[in-house]
Amino acid sequence: KAGVTQTPRYLIKTRGQQVTLSCSPISGHRSVSWYQQTPGQGLQFLFEYFSETQRNKGNFPGRFSGRQFSNSRSEMNVSTLELGDSALYLCASTVPAGTDTQYFGPGTRLTVL
Amino acid sequence: GDSVTQMEGPVTLSEEAFLTINCTYTATGYPSLFWYVQYPGEGLQLLLKATKADDKGSNKGFEATYRKETTSFHLEKGSVQVSDSAVYFCALSERDSSYKLIFGSGTRLLVRP
Repeated sequence: KAGVTQTPRYLIKTRGQQVTLSCSPISGHRSVSWYQQTPGQGLQFLFEYFSETQRNKGNFPGRFSGRQFSNSRSEMNVSTLELGDSALYLCASTVPAGTDTQYFGPGTRLTVL
Repeated sequence: GDSVTQMEGPVTLSEEAFLTINCTYTATGYPSLFWYVQYPGEGLQLLLKATKADDKGSNKGFEATYRKETTSFHLEKGSVQVSDSAVYFCALSERDSSYKLIFGSGTRLLVRP
């Protein structure tokens, strides 16, 4: 079974631009979560989607948003990019009901110049 | 809120040495506990998990026991290899209505031949 895939793997943007990252979960997984990893703040939860609904959101500004499609694929968007948004963005998928084990993709490395 | 505390790194060991990475947690409920490993340039891989008190998770020679009385989940391995060099993250899942992991700051392990 294929793992979690994320595209693109690397991205370079400039301040003020917006960016969209994509995540395809493991087949059959309906919950998708997003995390930001930076050297200073570590791994921080952004949001979680299940059946196209956001169920939980971390403490990030409104510039960070996401959505989930009917096939469970998810996208996250960051508008008006700031230098501090440079990070590795990780997506994880889970089979709900009975397990809370999350499986991670390889991440998208975003650099904001 | 809930939190995870890990020992500071880097931890430097010689091959075949015994490894312990300490992890303690604070949680209002009864969380599941995880260890994830991150190799350079990659996402997170699940190493092991435990879902209730006194459960022992194990994988690839690594072990960790869920200690509710001491709120700890220390990672151990009897004989480390150079290939174990990576960053190790302890995490908890609150097991509420969404899937959200709270991570420790990570511990870098360097194993010298």
